[in-house]
Amino acid sequence: GAVVSQHPSWVICKSGTSVKIECRSLDFQATTMFWYRQFPKQSLMLMATSNEGSKATYEQGVEKDKFLINHASLTLSTLTVTSAHPEDSSFYICSASVSGSYHEQYFGPGTRLTVT
Amino acid sequence: SQQGEEDPQALSIQEGENATMNCSYKTSINNLQWYRQNSGRGFVHLILIRSNEREKHSGRLRVTLDTSKKSSSLLITASRAADTASYFCATSNAGNMLTFGGGTRLMVKP
Repeated sequence: GAVVSQHPSWVICKSGTSVKIECRSLDFQATTMFWYRQFPKQSLMLMATSNEGSKATYEQGVEKDKFLINHASLTLSTLTVTSAHPEDSSFYICSASVSGSYHEQYFGPGTRLTVT
Repeated sequence: SQQGEEDPQALSIQEGENATMNCSYKTSINNLQWYRQNSGRGFVHLILIRSNEREKHSGRLRVTLDTSKKSSSLLITASRAADTASYFCATSNAGNMLTFGGGTRLMVKP
């Protein structure tokens, strides 16, 4: 149980385009979903926390107009990277929590974004 | 700065040997968790140890926590080639933030 999927697993796009990444909790309802970014050989950086039906809470330094997060249902959250640039190339990982607690998060497999 | 810092950053051992990774943190925590990440893939939760616990076991994994030294260790016994991955510690504090360290890259040679 507690499976989280992400789609796509890898996306290559041209600079200036927008890319949408989906995060789904497959067998449970997630009140809270988290979005992380991971640079090569580095740890995760929390980008934002989204609760179903409300606006996402962004971490300091994360541009909310560039990284649009929508959490329209208890099983789906989306991250849209708008007007992507090569420096946005990274590994984006979502996680989902049943209780909204940071203590128990179930991670998706990640999405590799390459912007050319 | 990162809350958790793993040591060593990279570790290479032979199959069958034990692997020990350490994690240090700076502020008080509610619990500490260890995760594994295979190359370019998602994170897998391994074990959670609460601040009032000192040691925890799960299969071939043994985790210790020393809150006085603000450190934790992850021991993998009788390592296998399939254990090759990056291992991260993550701390959770009273503010309910989960903060990851930089990770230890473990290579287990067959």
